[in-house]
Amino acid sequence: GENVEQHPSTLSVQEGDSAVIKCTYSDSASNYFPWYKQELGKGPQLIIDIRSNVGEKKDQRIAVTLNKTAKHFSLHITETQPEDSAVYFCAASERTGGFKTIFGAGTRLFVKA
Amino acid sequence: NAGVTQTPKFRILKIGQSMTLQCTQDMNHNYMYWYRQDPGMGLKLIYYSVGAGITDKGEVPNGYNVSRSTTEDFPLRLELAAPSQTSVYFCASSYGLAGPTDTQYFGPGTRLTVL
Repeated sequence: GENVEQHPSTLSVQEGDSAVIKCTYSDSASNYFPWYKQELGKGPQLIIDIRSNVGEKKDQRIAVTLNKTAKHFSLHITETQPEDSAVYFCAASERTGGFKTIFGAGTRLFVKA
Repeated sequence: NAGVTQTPKFRILKIGQSMTLQCTQDMNHNYMYWYRQDPGMGLKLIYYSVGAGITDKGEVPNGYNVSRSTTEDFPLRLELAAPSQTSVYFCASSYGLAGPTDTQYFGPGTRLTVL
């Protein structure tokens, strides 16, 4: 079945450094790739997304890149801050039917002050 | 707007008991979803709905049932609780394909323990 692999599972960085999280997907029909941030005890919240007709998207300190040929997409956070500490999930879905989304297993990011 | 609300926040069930997890959204979203999140894992889709009266299975539907009688509500029913259903359950909603965004909005979750 469809699968999304996410690496690393844990990432620790110093405040001000960059953080990169990488995902690969298996379903070539996937054409929508959201990234979610989940803080302790809360539901996931969308932070950025990208569609398959775009190779890169940026929103302030956050950027996402997509390589459709290799089925890879990555999240880049620059100038990390302690409040960026959370679990981040990548996901892949096909923009048809019920918009079924397959999630990666998550990356726990620690930003040390 | 309250967004997506879920009740209860926490629940402990005994094996074989039944319960309904409630989910309501006030954003007039067409699509609604139920996910479960096991410790250290990503979210797995249980069921989804593209509109009132329409539901379909996700990745892990066994042991669950849903209904969608209104746009706002999407309850999840566990008929015979099993320890394997111990998890955190999230409800989510989105506009659907014709909407302005593809964003899924999540509720705060229900933490369920089956003993």
